[in-house]
Formats: sequence, C-alpha cells, structure tokens
Amino acid sequence: DADVTQTPRNRITKTGKRIMLECSQTKGHDRMYWYRQDPGLGLRLIYYSFDVKDINKGEISDGYSVSRQAQAKFSLSLESAIPNQTALYFCATSDPKTGGPDDTQYFGPGTRLTVL
Amino acid sequence: RKEVEQDPGPFNVPEGATVAFNCTYSNSASQSFFWYRQDCRKEPKLLMSVYSSGNEDGRFTAQLNRASQYISLLIRDSKLSDSATYLCVVNIGIVDKLIFGTGTRLQVFP
Repeated sequence: DADVTQTPRNRITKTGKRIMLECSQTKGHDRMYWYRQDPGLGLRLIYYSFDVKDINKGEISDGYSVSRQAQAKFSLSLESAIPNQTALYFCATSDPKTGGPDDTQYFGPGTRLTVL
Repeated sequence: RKEVEQDPGPFNVPEGATVAFNCTYSNSASQSFFWYRQDCRKEPKLLMSVYSSGNEDGRFTAQLNRASQYISLLIRDSKLSDSATYLCVVNIGIVDKLIFGTGTRLQVFP
C-alpha cells in the first residue's frame, strides 16, 4: 500500500466551484506539504504544516486554503476555482527524525485538476 | 535569476552512454541538495541526496561544488529505464523549504 495517498486522482470542475483535495499518509511524519506543478515552472509550494497546530503559507497560497485534521491528513481547498488553477497537485511528507537528510520529502501520486 | 536552474534538455542518448546534468542554485545559505526523478505524470521520487564529499549509488554519481554553487548528476551505462525527468532540488536555508528546478528530461534510446 502507498504511504502517501491523494484523492481524487483526477477532477474536472467548473469556474467558481469549491474543490477539496485530500491527502493521507501512513508514514507517521509530522510535516506535510501541498505543491502544484505546471509545465515549465516546476513544483511550487502552496502551503505546509509542521504539525497539527501549525499552518504556513508557501509561495503561491492565494486562492487556496488548507486544513490539517490530524497528523495523517492534510486537505487543500480551492474556495472558488479558476482556470489558471488547472495543474497537477502533489502532497508530500517529511520527518527529520527518520535519520536521512532532514529535508527529504516523499510525494503522493498527485491529483490532476482541470478547471473549465 | 531563478533560485534553481537546470538545462531542460531533452538529452537523447543511446543505451550504455554516460550522461551528465548540471544544476546551479542562487542561495549560498542552502544546506541540503537532492536529485529527484520524475516519470511522466507521476510523482517525484528521491533519487539521491548530494553531499559535499560527493556520493555514488550504483551507476549514479552526484557532486556538489559549494564555491560555484552547482550540483551535478552523472549517469553511467544508461538504461532505457533511466528515461525520465531529473529534478534538482535545493533547500533555501529554511528547514524543510525546498526549491525545485524545472527538471532535465532524459530520453535513452536502444
């Protein structure tokens, strides 16, 4: 079973709709992240959370919100979707206690979101 | 200047070839460096971390040059299965804040 899962895997929605993307992990990691990936731009950080009570904005948080419901769950919401939010969204986790280089991040399979 | 810059490629090489990718980064305070591999429409996966002394993992060798602020990845004896996009990743001096390059695409042909 995958350590980091994302639902849905694909979603097509219309402009103005509210969308929630969900991420769950069984790695026991405290730190979770949401990224989006666009062709030619690489991955960009939307929000990150170092524990259940900690939420931080990334470089492109406008138009997004997040909720850390538990250590294992981190949800990303688009309050009113717009076409330029069409992208591939990845959730990731990390935990410096694992013994590897502190910043290693492990990614979920991604959600492909299309906003019409 | 982008924080992490890579040649987008594509690099088209025959099986068995040796290929090298370079990456430059702009933040001299960066402490952690990685190469991730990403297959088409899939999630990035850690290929290897990059240490100051250089490190090797089978056919893959990573080097770090702090003075010049660049990182390299060398792949020897390329396999068809090495075809992917290779992402250079650097932290920006803040714990767990990683900056991803846009990736270098490698295509290995028979």
